[in-house]
Amino acid sequence: GESVGLHLPTLSVQEGDNSIINCAYSNSASDYFIWYKQESGKGPQFIIDIRSNMDKRQGQRVTVLLNKTVKHLSLQIAATQPGDSAVYFCAENVTGGGADGLTFGKGTHLIIQP
Amino acid sequence: DAEITQSPRHKITETGRQVTLACHQTWNHNNMFWYRQDLGHGLRLIHYSYGVQDTNKGEVSDGYSVSRSNTEDLPLTLESAASSQTSVYFCASSESGGAISDTQYFGPGTRLTVL
Repeated sequence: GESVGLHLPTLSVQEGDNSIINCAYSNSASDYFIWYKQESGKGPQFIIDIRSNMDKRQGQRVTVLLNKTVKHLSLQIAATQPGDSAVYFCAENVTGGGADGLTFGKGTHLIIQP
Repeated sequence: DAEITQSPRHKITETGRQVTLACHQTWNHNNMFWYRQDLGHGLRLIHYSYGVQDTNKGEVSDGYSVSRSNTEDLPLTLESAASSQTSVYFCASSESGGAISDTQYFGPGTRLTVL
């Protein structure tokens, strides 16, 4: 099965509400995690990352939470806007593990309703 | 501004033909990668390179090859295109040398259709 997976393939939220996208990983050796956003017809775009020595990191309107105990990663988007509609991927990496250590989840489609 | 580009953006070819997809980055990144993206599979790694003259196989390398003659380019070649290789292909690059612990930046993608 997938080393990195997402609990929900589609998430629909009202404009202005907060969104939470979840990701589970199984490799306890993973120490670097990335969230990407992919809009239709475009390549994945880096949003935010976090290393395993942290449990929370904030960016502009986004927060990533890492729970190593249960191997869970989440992306919180505050006050969602129409431009947030996209597919969101999490990815995990083992530092020094080579390219084979980088694994992407299948993605969650975030839909923003007016 | 530094960037990563792919060409062509769309390509239709026939089974058995050789196809080369171009990837060019101007960040001077050591690491470059090729992925394919298919519904239900997410992004899967095809080949990658840690620097000039270095190439490595990824998860789904069969039927594909790459070469790295300079820092900026990593062309992906399909030696004999098959319908199973119909997909969207993404190139990416990252800064670190020798280990993937830094962010990968993606190109806009190439949509390849093999008839």
